[in-house]
Amino acid sequence: DVKVTQSSRYLVKRTGEKVFLECVQDMDHENMFWYRQDPGLGLRLIYFSYDVKMKEKGDIPEGYSVSREKKERFSLILESASTNQTSMYLCASRRGGGANVLTFGAGSRLTVL
Amino acid sequence: AQSVSQHNHHVILSEAASLELGCNYSYGGTVNLFWYVQYPGQHLQLLLKYFSGDPLVKGIKGFEAEFIKSKFSFNLRKPSVQWSDTAEYFCAVNAHADSWGKLQFGAGTQVVVTP
Repeated sequence: DVKVTQSSRYLVKRTGEKVFLECVQDMDHENMFWYRQDPGLGLRLIYFSYDVKMKEKGDIPEGYSVSREKKERFSLILESASTNQTSMYLCASRRGGGANVLTFGAGSRLTVL
Repeated sequence: AQSVSQHNHHVILSEAASLELGCNYSYGGTVNLFWYVQYPGQHLQLLLKYFSGDPLVKGIKGFEAEFIKSKFSFNLRKPSVQWSDTAEYFCAVNAHADSWGKLQFGAGTQVVVTP
């Protein structure tokens, strides 16, 4: 089975701090995604990457950046965390092309005080 | 842009009752359709998917969904729920033309099954 691992399950940060959320997948998937999950809003796409060093904005990229230096790792960066970024962050990956399925990590719950 | 609408935000029902969760999407082209489930404290996992072919698809744990193209719908059903079906259910859509596989999710439906 594909495994998508998010390094931190729970984080508490202060407003203005820089935050790194790490995601690693072990099945050589080309495509990787960062979503945030909020009650009543479902999942919204922040950024995705279709290859190493390649990235595209999703629906809500403001306040976030990403990094993909290696195929298996996709990092989400909050340059200056704000309280409205308190959320559950989900990483996902899939094999490129065709009708393939996203596999999700367990999520990282971030609280910004 | 695509959008996905799930009709109910919260559903409470008793064990052995039948479940149907509505999902409609807005997109004029060919789509891939998914239902994901998130059990309490667990990660999001795939329940079933539709890519092409028979519009009635069967998934895990006795769930099924029917794609009705004319209604832009992909409703999820289970004839008899169990307490362990308590979870949040998400409908998701991906445009066939989108080779990156970006999913557009609905807001989710919280299902509570009482003993």
